[in-house]
Amino acid sequence: DTGVSQNPRHKITKRGQNVTFRCDPISEHNRLYWYRQTLGQGPEFLTYFQNEAQLEKSRLLSDRFSAERPKGSFSTLEIQRTEQGDSAMYLCASSLGSTPYEQYFGPGTRLTVT
Amino acid sequence: DQQVKQNSPSLSVQEGRISILNCDYTNSMFDYFLWYKKYPAEGPTFLISISSIKDKNEDGRFTVFLNKSAKHLSLHIVPSQPGDSAVYFCAASQIRQGGKLIFGQGTELSVKP
Repeated sequence: DTGVSQNPRHKITKRGQNVTFRCDPISEHNRLYWYRQTLGQGPEFLTYFQNEAQLEKSRLLSDRFSAERPKGSFSTLEIQRTEQGDSAMYLCASSLGSTPYEQYFGPGTRLTVT
Repeated sequence: DQQVKQNSPSLSVQEGRISILNCDYTNSMFDYFLWYKKYPAEGPTFLISISSIKDKNEDGRFTVFLNKSAKHLSLHIVPSQPGDSAVYFCAASQIRQGGKLIFGQGTELSVKP
């Protein structure tokens, strides 16, 4: 399977705990995007990388959120001191730099903060 | 500021008939528009895209129409099949803004046998 993969698929955590999600993009894709989706809404952009460089962060990405893509391959998204409002589906997508809009999504990580 | 809007939260059609999903946008600087299909507990699946310099793109049963003067696009599915039942998202992208996607709220399509 050469699609985008995300781990874990589900995460339940208590408020105040830290969580980390991983995304493995399609191997030849140099662009990697993170989105968040809540119930009844479309995905909302959080941040994106070109290779290992983080080029943009949304205002939605508070200072409790950090994302990395250390070697330009997989990426991690960490949320510190989780809040109930962080409960959502976190989606990762990848694309070629020549066609950045044509993004292929992973299955997502469902986060529930209790 | 909702730049991309899908005003119909749901649509129900009979198998074999045409499904038409609509989307409106406000930013005339968008370069590309895309449609994604999403099943529960899965990520969105890319369906079809259209460049802002075109007014139609077709791929099998799926056709996307773009009306730039009205800032409106639509997805036509002909003929509709029960397996098409899913949530459909319209998205828009601006290359100068890194290609990030701005999504509408989605329309849930139900195709009845």
